[in-house]
This record gives sequence, C-alpha cells and structure tokens, in this order.
Amino acid sequence: ETGVTQSPTHLIKTRGQQVTLRCSSQSGHNTVSWYQQALGQGPQFIFQYYREEENGRGNFPPRFSGLQFPNYSSELNVNALELDDSALYLCASSLDPAPTTDTQYFGPGTRLTVL
Amino acid sequence: GQNIDQPTEMTATEGAIVQINCTYQTSGFNGLFWYQQHAGEAPTFLSYNVLDGLEEKGRFSSFLSRSKGYSYLLLKELQMKDSASYLCAVPINAGNMLTFGGGTRLMVKP
Repeated sequence: ETGVTQSPTHLIKTRGQQVTLRCSSQSGHNTVSWYQQALGQGPQFIFQYYREEENGRGNFPPRFSGLQFPNYSSELNVNALELDDSALYLCASSLDPAPTTDTQYFGPGTRLTVL
Repeated sequence: GQNIDQPTEMTATEGAIVQINCTYQTSGFNGLFWYQQHAGEAPTFLSYNVLDGLEEKGRFSSFLSRSKGYSYLLLKELQMKDSASYLCAVPINAGNMLTFGGGTRLMVKP
C-alpha cells in the first residue's frame, strides 16, 4: 500500500465549472506531482510542488493551478472546465524531487467527467 | 523536447515470454522508468535504468541502450495477472517529473 490518497474518487462537472481535487502524500514526503491521464493514453505531467513552492510545470494552461500545504498535502484546481479535461487525475508523492529508484508513489486517482 | 514511442497493444499467451519495446528522444538523459498500471488503478513502479544493460528482477527484466535511445521490458512466465498497461517514462530534467509514453496494453490469454 502506497499511502497516497486522493479525493474524491469520481466527479462529474459541466463545462465552465471549476473543480478542486485533493491529494494526501505519503507520510514524510515533501514533493507532490500531478498528472492528467486521458483514457487509453499515458499520464501527462501537469506540475510539481516541493515544500509548498511550484517546482516545475508541464504544458498546461494557467486555468490549471495548484497548492501545497504545510503538511505537504496538495490541491489541483481547474477553472473553466472543458470537455477535454475529462480524464483520470493522478498525484504522486516522493521524498524529494530527485529521480532515485522507487521514490515516487502514485495515488489511485480522481476520475473527472466533464459534460 | 522529449518523445517516447511504444506499441499500443500486445497479446501473449500465459506462460510465454513477451518483450515490450520503448524508444525515446530526450535532450538530456536522466534514466528511464517502467511502470505497470492495471485498469482503473495507480501506476506502480517496476524498474529504473540509468546505465546500459539488462537488469533482472524476478520475472521482469529491463534493458537499456542509451546510444540507441532504446529500452525494453521483458516479462517471463506470463501470468493472467500481468494483463495491464506498461508505461515507459523518462524524467523531464534531473528531477522526477516524468514524460510518459502512451503505454502498451498487454493482454495475456490462457
């Protein structure tokens, strides 16, 4: 068991609405990364937070924003939802941002459907 | 930029061996990851290669050739539970922010 939890499990929204997804990292992990995974595709990197600061960002528009809290849990906010935002949103936590073996653990994801 | 290619789907028979290939293009190389993802579940770590050669871990092995921009995942003694998507990924920079390939969906048949 990885210890990374995400909420909610599933969510249905309509175009134009706003959504907040939550991630609790594994105990002791100070780095959280968010990914978007469309059906049948690989995950796409959205951004990473390290010690409450954004540490890197992928090719996503500004309406995708995030936060990391002092307890290292994190939120992903998406404004002005579009149909193409329908996907599985994964968060992954790690002890630090370095790519050492097996340091990054993924949560089960939030399935977002935009109608 | 970065680009990763892997086959979309593969089918194999229980007990057989299957090789899943991955080719990549990166401006700098900081290792290559393989993840397994069962339908509707989180990706789970399988391997991380940073040096050329084959690394064996039980029924799973991973190979890397940096000069060819090529890796493969070898699964031996296939079991039905190995039916899953296999994701190849490389770090975007020296950190662990990852660029993933599209994934290879492996179906193991009896």
